[in-house]
Amino acid sequence: EAQVTQNPRYLITVTGKKLTVTCSQNMNHEYMSWYRQDPGLGLRQIYYSMNVEVTDKGDVPEGYKVSRKEKRNFPLILESPSPNQTSLYFCASSLTGGASYNEQFFGPGTRLTVL
Amino acid sequence: QQPVQSPQAVILREGEDAVINCSSSKALYSVHWYRQKHGEAPIFLMILLKGGEQKGHDKISASFNEKKQQSSLYLTASQLSYSGTYFCGTFAYNNNDMRFGAGTRLTVKP
Repeated sequence: EAQVTQNPRYLITVTGKKLTVTCSQNMNHEYMSWYRQDPGLGLRQIYYSMNVEVTDKGDVPEGYKVSRKEKRNFPLILESPSPNQTSLYFCASSLTGGASYNEQFFGPGTRLTVL
Repeated sequence: QQPVQSPQAVILREGEDAVINCSSSKALYSVHWYRQKHGEAPIFLMILLKGGEQKGHDKISASFNEKKQQSSLYLTASQLSYSGTYFCGTFAYNNNDMRFGAGTRLTVKP
């Protein structure tokens, strides 16, 4: 089944404790991205990747890191999480680097709480 | 900068029509529309690529006015299953990052 998977789905952590949220897609998509969703603000892009080893900042990259060493995986790293990073996170992918004209497939989401 | 969606929320009775608007301050290459049910991931509805383009499937259609940097989503004869939050997402020219609006919460009642 074609899909985007994220792990973990739920995570409660404490301020300053490094964490990684994994994202994997099995559709051979080139474009992958991370979004955070907060009430009243919609989806805001954190980072995106046009292809392996090519990443760039989105709208709200502060406090996050990403890496794209393999085409299928795009982990999101929070080196020192803070309470303002409490949010619902979505990973998404689309077919080619021309994401502007291809639909994005979203993962199921990761609900992160930072205490 | 995020595109601006209006209205923020709308309540309909089954069978009524609705229009959701999305406007941007930037020149747009494409506009995407997604629907999200509570607690679920957004689901793709359609992409509009060219000014003046209109698309649709079932009773949901959309238009894209490139000059006005606006897009509208039309829901005709709404069904209960149309309930959810609708987001427009935009790509500006020469940009590879996607910006989403804050969403429009649509509730369809029997």
